[in-house]
Amino acid sequence: DAGVIQSPRHEVTEMGQEVTLRCKPISGHDYLFWYRQTMMRGLELLIYFNNNVPIDDSGMPEDRFSAKMPNASFSTLKIQPSEPRDSAVYFCASSPDYYSYNEQFFGPGTRLTVL
Amino acid sequence: AQTVTQSQPEMSVQEAETVTLSCTYDTSESDYYLFWYKQPPSRQMILVIRQEAYKQQNATENRFSVNFQKAAKSFSLKISDSQLGDAAMYFCAYRRGGAQKLVFGQGTRLTINP
Repeated sequence: DAGVIQSPRHEVTEMGQEVTLRCKPISGHDYLFWYRQTMMRGLELLIYFNNNVPIDDSGMPEDRFSAKMPNASFSTLKIQPSEPRDSAVYFCASSPDYYSYNEQFFGPGTRLTVL
Repeated sequence: AQTVTQSQPEMSVQEAETVTLSCTYDTSESDYYLFWYKQPPSRQMILVIRQEAYKQQNATENRFSVNFQKAAKSFSLKISDSQLGDAAMYFCAYRRGGAQKLVFGQGTRLTINP
């Protein structure tokens, strides 16, 4: 298996522009997670899906952020409009099922820079 | 709310030596799971080891082992025979039983000196 795939790996954009980050989870995994990593706040969960349905979006910072999962093999995280404070590494992760012992498999991350 | 604290921002060790990374957590739950993840310069988060809170026996994975002290809410990672490839950020993480959310500590940067 190719693992969790994220694109792009790097994104540089200007303030006010729309940014879309993409994720393909591991086939057969029921759960998909979006995390953000910054120096100030560390790794924090933004939102997660179960069987394509958003379950907990309490970590989404504000209305500028939105996430979708139109099918089991694809998810997007969109920021519109982007701001310099959104600069971070965004990780997508997936896990196979409900059990809390299960590993979350992380993608390589997208480094976003907003100028 | 659950919190995870890693009090050592940086650690260094000589190659082939043993190093211990500290982690403490705060929870009122009795059912939970603890994890150590490694993040090398490539940024990829890789699971190193995990522990179920109801198990008294400390988890071990080859050169990696944990010292799980439930009463003290401590979950340290011991790396034996350190190798250059162990150089990375190490994150301790907590997950409440029945939940999906991982709560991460701030990380410890481990340097291996040849």
